[in-house]
Amino acid sequence: KNEVEQSPQNLTAQEGEFITINCSYSVGISALHWLQQHPGGGIVSLFMLSSGKKKHGRLIATINIQEKHSSLHITASHPRDSAVYICAVWGASGSRLTFGEGTQLTVNP
Amino acid sequence: GAGVSQSPSNKVTEKGKDVELRCDPISGHTALYWYRQRLGQGLEFLIYFQGNSAPDKSGLPSDRFSAERTGESVSTLTIQRTQQEDSAVYLCASSLSVDTGELFFGEGSRLTVL
Repeated sequence: KNEVEQSPQNLTAQEGEFITINCSYSVGISALHWLQQHPGGGIVSLFMLSSGKKKHGRLIATINIQEKHSSLHITASHPRDSAVYICAVWGASGSRLTFGEGTQLTVNP
Repeated sequence: GAGVSQSPSNKVTEKGKDVELRCDPISGHTALYWYRQRLGQGLEFLIYFQGNSAPDKSGLPSDRFSAERTGESVSTLTIQRTQQEDSAVYLCASSLSVDTGELFFGEGSRLTVL
């Protein structure tokens, strides 16, 4: 079992739909990152969380430390949101960043 | 500079040759990270630096891989005696501090070993 598991692996949505991507982890962490990787390969950091909830535009990220779970929500999805979304956790021991396998999101017009 | 800069952007080399990949982080960022992404696969964490020190080198795939950082600035990832399985995009990122800072990624160095 991977230390960081994301679901779903693939997600296809229609423009305007509300989207949720989930991330579960099995280790104690000091921080969790949500990253976005576009088809060209560039990676952008969306959020860094250690507790609670953060919002940026149409994106919302939440984390539940007790349940070792985080969600990334996209409201009013748009085709330009099509990308791979990656969850990564920084272990509590502070030695490395562990990545989920990523969720491929496709938003159709 | 304004962002994380990596060079070269593309490198084609022959099996057995040594390669050096360079990363210039954002000025003032104490943490620097190296990752690898093979074609069609996820991100693989290689090593990180806090200042000029690398506390954990166990993510490096083999002893052919080494990395150093000087002046709390530029970092070099060196791959000796390259093998075809080393072909990947090597990504560098930096943050203000380890485990509490937003990550800023470079565009990557695409390495192809023939």
